[in-house]
Amino acid sequence: KQEVTQIPAALSVPEGENLVLNCSFTDSAIYNLQWFRQDPGKGLTSLLLIQSSQREQTSGRLNASLDKSSGRSTLYIAASQPGDSATYLCAAPGGTSYGKLTFGQGTILTVHP
Amino acid sequence: EAGVTQSPTHLIKTRGQQATLRCSPISGHTSVYWYQQALGLGLQFLLWYDEGEERNRGNFPPRFSGRQFPNYSSELNVNALELEDSALYLCASSLWLAGGLPPEQFFGPGTRLTVL
Repeated sequence: KQEVTQIPAALSVPEGENLVLNCSFTDSAIYNLQWFRQDPGKGLTSLLLIQSSQREQTSGRLNASLDKSSGRSTLYIAASQPGDSATYLCAAPGGTSYGKLTFGQGTILTVHP
Repeated sequence: EAGVTQSPTHLIKTRGQQATLRCSPISGHTSVYWYQQALGLGLQFLLWYDEGEERNRGNFPPRFSGRQFPNYSSELNVNALELEDSALYLCASSLWLAGGLPPEQFFGPGTRLTVL
């Protein structure tokens, strides 16, 4: 059974800082890992998908890494902006039920001007 | 290209009633997934439909059911509503390619269900 954990639960930073969000998973035989952004009361926006064969994936100021052996993924946000304020979620397909995504509890990010 | 759409945006029901939520996937996607996001419980997987068939089901009672239509849109039905069913219900879609690796899931804006 796949379990996903995210730390920290909340993070508050000044504008312009580089920051790292962490995601841990228990089943290292994952096929891929997805990072999402969720604004309050809204749906999820897919940010990055990292396949198990990749180590990194980049999109603009976002860079995600995946280390299957240690069961960890990190999301790096460069030069943070107030518009980055949101909840960030990571999710992985779960074991043999790989149509299902198992989500972490999320990191609430606040970037203040 | 239009994303995943869901209707209604908000739904208010009373305990014991039935609720029907609808989802239209991205054009060309054949899989639809339903998730529940209740306050304090995180995102929980409900159901997965692909090509009209139920492929997987989360740990929810039978009063949560659904179906997928020939045009790949989907309906989630919740019978005998309980107060704890109040949540944001999210639908996602994807397209499984040859090789069978889990594809990226794209989410809709959600339906906020409130049970009074």
